[in-house]
Amino acid sequence: DMKVTQMPRYLIKRMGENVLLECGQDMSHETMYWYRQDPGLGLQLIYISYDVDSNSEGDIPKGYRVSRKKREHFSLILDSAKTNQTSVYFCASRDSYEQYFGPGTRLTVL
Amino acid sequence: EQQVQQSPASLVLQEAENAELQCSFSIFTNQVQWFYQRPGGRLVSLLYNPSGTKQSGRLTSTTVIKERRSSLHISSSQITDSGTYLCAMSNYNVLYFGSGTKLTVEP
Repeated sequence: DMKVTQMPRYLIKRMGENVLLECGQDMSHETMYWYRQDPGLGLQLIYISYDVDSNSEGDIPKGYRVSRKKREHFSLILDSAKTNQTSVYFCASRDSYEQYFGPGTRLTVL
Repeated sequence: EQQVQQSPASLVLQEAENAELQCSFSIFTNQVQWFYQRPGGRLVSLLYNPSGTKQSGRLTSTTVIKERRSSLHISSSQITDSGTYLCAMSNYNVLYFGSGTKLTVEP
């Protein structure tokens, strides 16, 4: 069964703290994604990774960076989190046709 | 510019009624995927339908690429079908999402 995992599922941080969101997939997919989802704005692409150390900015990369050192792991990093980064973050991976999503991480920045 | 438009934005049905959800794209695509999401939940892939008609259980998707549209038909709706249905189109490895149709099925 194809699976994308995310850790943690819920996270509360204070403004200015660093945040690390982890994503894993067991399907050996080359391409992985980070999205955020906000009410009224839908899903917005933050970063896309085409393989290890091959990352590209999505539509809203400002305030985020990513790391992919192994094909099965893709991390989203917020250096000095801001309150407007409160959101639900989804990771996804892709085979030749479909995208598969993780369960999401609900991040609250106070 | 919103590249994927979905309609209606919300839909309320009585149990056992059918639903027709629409999706249109502003640019050419050859990959269309429909997702289902409960509030705060994971996006679950329902159908991958790049063209023509594809069926999975009570779900039928019809995609007409040259007209840049896709539809999702839900037959004999059930209360558990309630949630948000998202249409997405792929362009060069990037998936663009519509804002979704919020479906509520009442007893």
